Amino acid sequence: QKEVEQNSGPLSVPEGAIASLNCTYSDRVSQSFFWYRQYSGKSPELIMSIYSNGDKEDGRFTAQLNKASQYVSLLIRDSQPSDSATYLCAVIGGGATNKLIFGTGTLLAVQP
Amino acid sequence: GAGVSQSPRYKVAKRGQDVALRCDPISGHVSLFWYQQALGQGPEFLTYFQNEAQLDKSGLPSDRFFAERPEGSVSTLKIQRTQQEDSAVYLCASSLGTERELSTDTQYFGPGTRLTVL
Repeated sequence: QKEVEQNSGPLSVPEGAIASLNCTYSDRVSQSFFWYRQYSGKSPELIMSIYSNGDKEDGRFTAQLNKASQYVSLLIRDSQPSDSATYLCAVIGGGATNKLIFGTGTLLAVQP
Repeated sequence: GAGVSQSPRYKVAKRGQDVALRCDPISGHVSLFWYQQALGQGPEFLTYFQNEAQLDKSGLPSDRFFAERPEGSVSTLKIQRTQQEDSAVYLCASSLGTERELSTDTQYFGPGTRLTVL
């Protein structure tokens, strides 16, 4: 079992719809959770970070964390074609090093 | 003063050659990370520096991989006797590293070096 799991997609949504991206993690001591967006051929760019249970909203993006279920999600409202990218879920687990453990990413395609 | 920079952006090496990849972190950032990203995969941790000290090298795949950050700023990842399986994008990230709670420390990624080993 991978430490961080995501559906690789592609997830296809029409323009203006809500895109829902999901991630599960295996290490119960994980404390910090991140969503990065990566356009093809580019480096990861931080979209959202979340550290406590519940929802965190930033513009069109909402991150949701449920530590009991070891589940993190990202909702993108009013999806735009420019949102088409791979979304990487990342976790910082226990231990002295705050290295990021990434999932394989979900490819999102927003259809105009 | 921009972001993290890496050079070269692209590197083609013949199998068996040595390569050196450079990372310039954001000025003042204490923490520096190297990740390896294979095609279609998420980045995988290689090694971590806090200033000049290499505190974690658990992700380096073999003793052919070596990283250094001698003055606590620029870092170099060296791969000796490159193999085809080393072909990947090598990403460098830096963070302030001064947050009271390091787990909330945001990592900023450079553009990466795409290494192709023939």
